[in-house]
Amino acid sequence: DGGITQSPKYLFRKEGQNVTLSCEQNLNHDAMYWYRQDPGQGLRLIYYSQIVNDFQKGDIAEGYSVSREKKESFPLTVTSAQKNPTAFYLCASKGRRGQETQYFGPGTRLLVL
Amino acid sequence: GQQVMQIPQYQHVQEGEDFTTYCNSSTTLSNIQWYKQRPGGHPVFLIQLVKSGEVKKQKRLTFQFGEAKKNSSLHITATQTTDVGTYFCATGNDMRFGAGTRLTVKP
Repeated sequence: DGGITQSPKYLFRKEGQNVTLSCEQNLNHDAMYWYRQDPGQGLRLIYYSQIVNDFQKGDIAEGYSVSREKKESFPLTVTSAQKNPTAFYLCASKGRRGQETQYFGPGTRLLVL
Repeated sequence: GQQVMQIPQYQHVQEGEDFTTYCNSSTTLSNIQWYKQRPGGHPVFLIQLVKSGEVKKQKRLTFQFGEAKKNSSLHITATQTTDVGTYFCATGNDMRFGAGTRLTVKP
């Protein structure tokens, strides 16, 4: 489970504000992922990146943006365009073929008031 | 990306009973991974299956990958209260997850 940090654990924001969630990994993994989880629901893919300076939209990318300027970091910005941003956000990373275990960070619970 | 359907959504068992969750796809999968998420926690990797017909065991857990590589199952023998949580399957380079099966165990 170790090697991926997400901060903060809880985040409160006012409606209409952009907020950036951090995700850092020291596992030297190429691929990184962002998921959203609503209470009692599964994981929905927001964005993923398989190499630095490249990323792909997942199933629910609208209202979110990401960057991948460094291998270790994959921050997620929840913009004001996201209609219902309150959720549990999970970041994950995965190694190359043959080392495909996906490791998750502890998550950030975002509450928009 | 490849999508997987997971059933059942919920399963409530008496401690000691067996439990099975299924993951199905309409397309051939390159591999499938299984994760467990405890209440309030984050998903934790359990296992990856790659080969057609593969069966792997971890103590009371048995994982199977179908011959056609379109379905997979996780079976828990003699459930314990420590097995409580949500079990997910996931697949593909974009790591899309099934909806999960939430297991509750009555002591």
